[in-house]
Amino acid sequence: NAGVTQTPKFQVLKTGQSMTLQCAQDMNHEYMSWYRQDPGMGLRLIHYSVGAGITDQGEVPNGYNVSRSTTEDFPLRLLSAAPSQTSVYFCASSYNDGQGGYTFGSGTRLTVV
Amino acid sequence: SQQGEEDPQALSIQEGENATMNCSYKTSINNLQWYRQNSGRGLVHLILIRSNEREKHSGRLRVTLDTSKKSSSLLITASRAADTASYFCATRAVYNQGGKLIFGQGTELSVKP
Repeated sequence: NAGVTQTPKFQVLKTGQSMTLQCAQDMNHEYMSWYRQDPGMGLRLIHYSVGAGITDQGEVPNGYNVSRSTTEDFPLRLLSAAPSQTSVYFCASSYNDGQGGYTFGSGTRLTVV
Repeated sequence: SQQGEEDPQALSIQEGENATMNCSYKTSINNLQWYRQNSGRGLVHLILIRSNEREKHSGRLRVTLDTSKKSSSLLITASRAADTASYFCATRAVYNQGGKLIFGQGTELSVKP
């Protein structure tokens, strides 16, 4: 099993550009989440999903969109990148609402200039 | 606002000593989890404790939970240089329908050989 795969690992965007961060898992996990990690801020939840077709907002959803058309994939879209979105983004998945813990991807380091 | 707050923010100890990290949270929880993050990597799930449990062990890890004080502690016994990492607590609140795991800001542990 590959676990949780995030692509790309690094990305530089110009202000105003849009892009999609990809996240895929091969563990048949129902629960998937996106977090951003900034120095001194810990991890903040952006969006999460409890199954295909079901998504909800987390703590910091503004400027981001998600969709969950399949169990395996949970892409995160930046609509119009801003310097404040410079961060490290982590995708995570869990089998049963975190009862066994979440499996994290290795992250995408995004810089918006 | 974040659910979990960790204390201390940074901890430096010698190899062989015990390390204790504390986490406080604000609302009623279903479970509390601890994760480790090595520099530049994704998070790794360490241990989960449910709201009806008071103590849990896993190898050199001991987690306690006091729901009346809304606090938890993680004890790492006989620490090793390889334990150097950031440690985060994360909570799954009772009131939400699932999938929403909120992290604290983390404790940065440095174990000197």
